[in-house]
Amino acid sequence: EDQVTQSPEALRLQEGESSSLNCSYTVSGLRGLFWYRQDPGKGPEFLFTLYSAGEEKEKERLKATLTKKESFLHITAPKPEDSATYLCAVSGSSNTGKLIFGQGTTLQVKP
Amino acid sequence: GAVVSQHPSRVICKSGTSVKIECRSLDFQATTMFWYRQFPKQSLMLMATSNEGSKATYEQGVEKDKFLINHASLTLSTLTVTSAHPEDSSFYICSVDPGQWHEQYFGPGTRLTVT
Repeated sequence: EDQVTQSPEALRLQEGESSSLNCSYTVSGLRGLFWYRQDPGKGPEFLFTLYSAGEEKEKERLKATLTKKESFLHITAPKPEDSATYLCAVSGSSNTGKLIFGQGTTLQVKP
Repeated sequence: GAVVSQHPSRVICKSGTSVKIECRSLDFQATTMFWYRQFPKQSLMLMATSNEGSKATYEQGVEKDKFLINHASLTLSTLTVTSAHPEDSSFYICSVDPGQWHEQYFGPGTRLTVT
């Protein structure tokens, strides 16, 4: 069964304090691993797709990396506006396009 | 990416009534849309896959007679919660899959409160 586990559940950082969020997954035939950002009361906002181990993608202060078992979302010198819940999801070859989501990591960045 | 809208953004209804939520794909034709439900402090749970011109595919445990899905056009899917009860109160979110890279783009969500 495809499964996604994210850690930590919550993370509090000071502005400028870099850190990483973890997403561990098991999936049959990875078609893609996705990172989303969700602000309270809003739908998830697409950030990145990673397709194969070793792949990396960057956007502003965020960098996503992928291995065969996990993905990391690195946040460099975060700002208060980076505060949100970050969701990881996978799509596998047996899921016909469906996304399996982790529980998310809620990030709070204090000024 | 893709732009998705939902209407209404918030709705309050009385127990026993039905409520319809619309999901629109604004900038491309979506043969497939997805409906999710999210309870407070929890992640997204897929309810059903909406297929244009055919019946929706429901996830295990989701009552198809209670959550009616209609995908009558390539830009519109609707979710109707029938005979709503307080336990149906949740945040309902739809998404579209442009189909090229397997990623999904989400609408802003609809907050349903059943009193």
